[in-house]
Amino acid sequence: GAVVSQHPSRVICKSGTSVKIECRSLDFQATTMFWYRQFPKQSLMLMATSNEGSKATYEQGVEKDKFLINHASLTLSTLTVTSAHPEDSSFYICSARASTFSTDTQYFGPGTRLTVL
Amino acid sequence: AQKITQTQPGMFVQEKEAVTLDCTYDTSDQSYGLFWYKQPSSGEMIFLIYQGSYDEQNATEGRYSLNFQKARKSANLVISASQLGDSAMYFCAMRPLNSGNTPLVFGKGTRLSVIA
Repeated sequence: GAVVSQHPSRVICKSGTSVKIECRSLDFQATTMFWYRQFPKQSLMLMATSNEGSKATYEQGVEKDKFLINHASLTLSTLTVTSAHPEDSSFYICSARASTFSTDTQYFGPGTRLTVL
Repeated sequence: AQKITQTQPGMFVQEKEAVTLDCTYDTSDQSYGLFWYKQPSSGEMIFLIYQGSYDEQNATEGRYSLNFQKARKSANLVISASQLGDSAMYFCAMRPLNSGNTPLVFGKGTRLSVIA
């Protein structure tokens, strides 16, 4: 399958700081990237959908000014958690899809565990 | 709107036995795709198998097979010859096909524990 990388895998930061998470598609061009959040023992919750070169579409209840998404190229999307608070602590997973895939499958990065102190 | 239902929060299976993880779905789309993902404790989401609504045959990938019953709107995952490494969370998901940026909709997941 296609490979999606995510960096960093773990980050611990102080309350009030900003954290940037990178998501890269390594062996394909991702026309669409998705960002999910997952709380312990729960399913994935979609935060936003982004297309290269255009603004992200945020799900209801997700603050776009707090979770900044930049899909700068067909292989890179970034999520910046601004002014992080302890309640932002979670597991963040990115996913990428290419329209060239025969099954239109979404491939996921390994996730980033964010802990805000 | 689409909805995925996984009614089994947890399942146990003996090593080397087969196990079926249930998934039912609801959609008004005529053309859609069904997916299963495995999430081990490390957190990564591993794509396992795909079934298109138009596929007449059930999908198979190694020890994984998808029991697709379109009339019943079910897409159960069958894992044969279970291994200890199969212990993980399993998520069923779907999305309409040819619909641009529509993301996957996930079920709540089933935690599978393989017992030696």
